[in-house]
Amino acid sequence: DTEVTQTPKHLVMGMTNKKSLKCEQHMGHRAMYWYKQKAKKPPELMFVYSYEKLSINESVPSRFSPECPNSSLLNLHLHALQPEDSALYLCASSQQQALNQPQHFGDGTRLSIL
Amino acid sequence: GQNIDQPTEMTATEGAIVQINCTYQTSGFNGLFWYQQHAGEAPTFLSYNVLDGLEEKGRFSSFLSRSKGYSYLLLKELQMKDSASYLCAVRDVGGRDDKIIFGKGTRLHILP
Repeated sequence: DTEVTQTPKHLVMGMTNKKSLKCEQHMGHRAMYWYKQKAKKPPELMFVYSYEKLSINESVPSRFSPECPNSSLLNLHLHALQPEDSALYLCASSQQQALNQPQHFGDGTRLSIL
Repeated sequence: GQNIDQPTEMTATEGAIVQINCTYQTSGFNGLFWYQQHAGEAPTFLSYNVLDGLEEKGRFSSFLSRSKGYSYLLLKELQMKDSASYLCAVRDVGGRDDKIIFGKGTRLHILP
């Protein structure tokens, strides 16, 4: 079990669906991250939130829309995804973005686009 | 630019020692992490180096040479559960953003 909780664990959706991935942490961390990981590849950074503000957007397509409602929650809204978006989506948090603190990862949401 | 290299796969025997190397090139190096990731699971933090030298933590040790852009993760007394991918990740503060960049990972296979 990790201290970063992601739901759902698995998600299958069609290309016209709208769904959301959720991430929650109660460690008081002020930096939260979304990563995309394809099989046998490293995690690729998508977004970073620092103190609930979007700090980094790695040129992610607009069909992925992040949201940070409060310091404990991070969402990723999905709309009109493509089959190549099928991947493991990992959420992580760290005490702050600027400090050399390790990131704590959730178990991820395995997303399949039909 | 940014570049992190580590071997794609390695094989070692239970009870032995293995060293996983990582070389990096970044515009603004400020720390290196090692993570372990079992198949289908989240990466978990193993070690962090920012100064030259060796950091030891139980069976795992990590070494850094900033001048050579080089790190290694040393695993001793290998156990079957050590079969996993090991990700080298570098903190790069030289560009527009302060972020962690992951290497492609080394898949370690432990044989009985």
